[in-house]
Amino acid sequence: GALVYQYPRRTICKSGTSMRMECQAVGFQATSVAWYRQSPQKTFELIALSTVNSAIKYEQNFTQEKFPISHPNLSFSSMTVLNAYLEDRGLYLCGATGDSYEQYFGPGTRLTVL
Amino acid sequence: AQSVTQPDARVTVSEGASLQLRCKYSYFGTPYLFWYVQYPRQGLQLLLKYYPGDPVVQGVNGFEAEFSKSNSSFHLRKASVHWSDWAVYFCAVRLSGYNKLTFGKGTVLLVSP
Repeated sequence: GALVYQYPRRTICKSGTSMRMECQAVGFQATSVAWYRQSPQKTFELIALSTVNSAIKYEQNFTQEKFPISHPNLSFSSMTVLNAYLEDRGLYLCGATGDSYEQYFGPGTRLTVL
Repeated sequence: AQSVTQPDARVTVSEGASLQLRCKYSYFGTPYLFWYVQYPRQGLQLLLKYYPGDPVVQGVNGFEAEFSKSNSSFHLRKASVHWSDWAVYFCAVRLSGYNKLTFGKGTVLLVSP
């Protein structure tokens, strides 16, 4: 079956530092990967949508300078949170889509900023 | 722009009773609609999905949802709720041909004994 793994599952970083999170699709080819953030007590906001062989499209309020994404092949994507501050804490979800157009989610990376 | 509204922030249901969680969408065109569940401290799991076709879709664990174009709704239902259904439920819509999901704010389902 189709599975999505995310690493790390949880991480703590100091304010002003950066952290990188990874997403891996297993059992299917992830032609596009969407990164979402769920801030405390809120819903899921799309950060950016990355499609292989196309430019990464960032949503309003999110920028490449703050959340650089790499999507080098059909099974792997990574995103870095640069210069993290308190408002960046939350659960970061990776949603990978293959040929079936169904988006499979990983368990998320929970970021705590001290 | 597409949007999803879940009007009930919290719903409490007795175990064994029936359930309906409401979802309204705003979208120009034919939507693809989804219900996801988030158990405590976990990510998202897909309950069911609607692609244009039969308006009533069946999902996992006895859940079903009905698409209504006239009401712009996609309400989630379950005939008999179990205590393990306690979670947050999210309705989402996807733009055709674009792999971006727009989520509602979620509805917390509490199950009382």
